[in-house]
Amino acid sequence: EVQLVESGGGLVQPGGSLRLSCAASGFMFSSYWMSWVRQVPGKGLEWVANIKVDGSEKYYVDSMKGRFTISRDNAKNSLYLQMNSLRAEDTAVYYCVREGRLIDYWGQGTLVTVSS
Amino acid sequence: DVVMTQSPLSLPVTLGQPASISCRSSQSLVYSDGNTYLNWFQQRPGQSPRRLIYKVSNRDSGVPDRFSGSGSGTDFTLKISRVEAEDVGFYYCMQGTHWPFTFGPGTKVDI
Repeated sequence: EVQLVESGGGLVQPGGSLRLSCAASGFMFSSYWMSWVRQVPGKGLEWVANIKVDGSEKYYVDSMKGRFTISRDNAKNSLYLQMNSLRAEDTAVYYCVREGRLIDYWGQGTLVTVSS
Repeated sequence: DVVMTQSPLSLPVTLGQPASISCRSSQSLVYSDGNTYLNWFQQRPGQSPRRLIYKVSNRDSGVPDRFSGSGSGTDFTLKISRVEAEDVGFYYCMQGTHWPFTFGPGTKVDI
């Protein structure tokens, strides 16, 4: 059974940093593109970033470029999102998802709240 | 960025009756490999989204056959042949053809 379990969310002050993690199991992690998608509570869905199977290619939505860094450790079956210079508008549930073009599995999400 | 629009944004439904959601993209979603990366997701209250349909019309395993997807180019439709109570929630279309991938605003389906 495919499982994606996010962790690392919480309350952070504007300008602060947070690192999200996603532990993957139940599939060959190193064979799949992985992504982060976020959802402002009560609102719609927004892409954050994608990473290729071996980490050699990464794509970011413009508003997060330069502030967020997606990475992966295939030996640990883990996906990460380093978020710096956080803003109030980054407050959202962050989902780890398998694949990019065809998202087929979602984690349960981790809530990031940016507030003073 | 490709803008995805959905209509209606709110869809009151009657149990046992059909329902339909339209999704339109600002550009053609045909990718260079010939595939059209238009997917549909369902998000029930308090849950993560779940994929229902991928590449326009392919239903995921375990998805009831009352759900179907159709369309081409820039115009797509999700249909529910007979609405059941468990179908309440939000429905999102998503394009995976042009980066950044984008979602529609969502359609709220309720009884």
